[in-house]
Amino acid sequence: QKEVEQDPGPLSVPEGAIVSLNCTYSNSAFQYFMWYRQYSRKGPELLMYTYSSGNKEDGRFTAQVDKSSKYISLFIRDSQPSDSATYLCVSTDSWGKLQFGAGTQVVVTP
Amino acid sequence: DAGITQSPRYKITETGRQVTLMCHQTWSHSYMFWYRQDLGHGLRLIYYSAAADITDKGEVPDGYVVSRSKTENFPLTLESATRSQTSVYFCASRVNTEAFFGQGTRLTVV
Repeated sequence: QKEVEQDPGPLSVPEGAIVSLNCTYSNSAFQYFMWYRQYSRKGPELLMYTYSSGNKEDGRFTAQVDKSSKYISLFIRDSQPSDSATYLCVSTDSWGKLQFGAGTQVVVTP
Repeated sequence: DAGITQSPRYKITETGRQVTLMCHQTWSHSYMFWYRQDLGHGLRLIYYSAAADITDKGEVPDGYVVSRSKTENFPLTLESATRSQTSVYFCASRVNTEAFFGQGTRLTVV
């Protein structure tokens, strides 16, 4: 069983809708939680990171972590076609190795 | 240009051949990683390195060899390529919570 579980999608939404992405993790030692965005045929890029439980907002993006339930979320408000990508949920353990979820493909249709 | 560079971008090789994928970073990040990305599996860690001359196995190391004689280079060698090693390979370096990925090498073993 993977340490970070993520629904692969695809998730298709109309432009302007809210995109909601979720992950669960199993390792209580995970301290940092990140979302990476990967466009087709490109390497992943860091989108947001959070430490411990709580919310973090950056423009149209909000990341949430609930360590009590081991649940990670990313919300994209006012979604745009340029948001179409694969979103990877990532956590780190004490070694610093990044544990990736399988990624969720998001398609925002005009 | 500053960043992380992988070469080649595309490679087709025959079963049984030795193949080396190159990775070069222009920073001096201590940590470097090799991942493979396959449909349904997401990013899986092959090998990582905490510093020059320090390497360790990841999740799927069989059939691969790495070396790191210089901080900036982290080549990955497939000793005897198999069809199951057909994949997209990503090299990354890391500082604090952020990993920087190369553009990837698309390897096909025929």
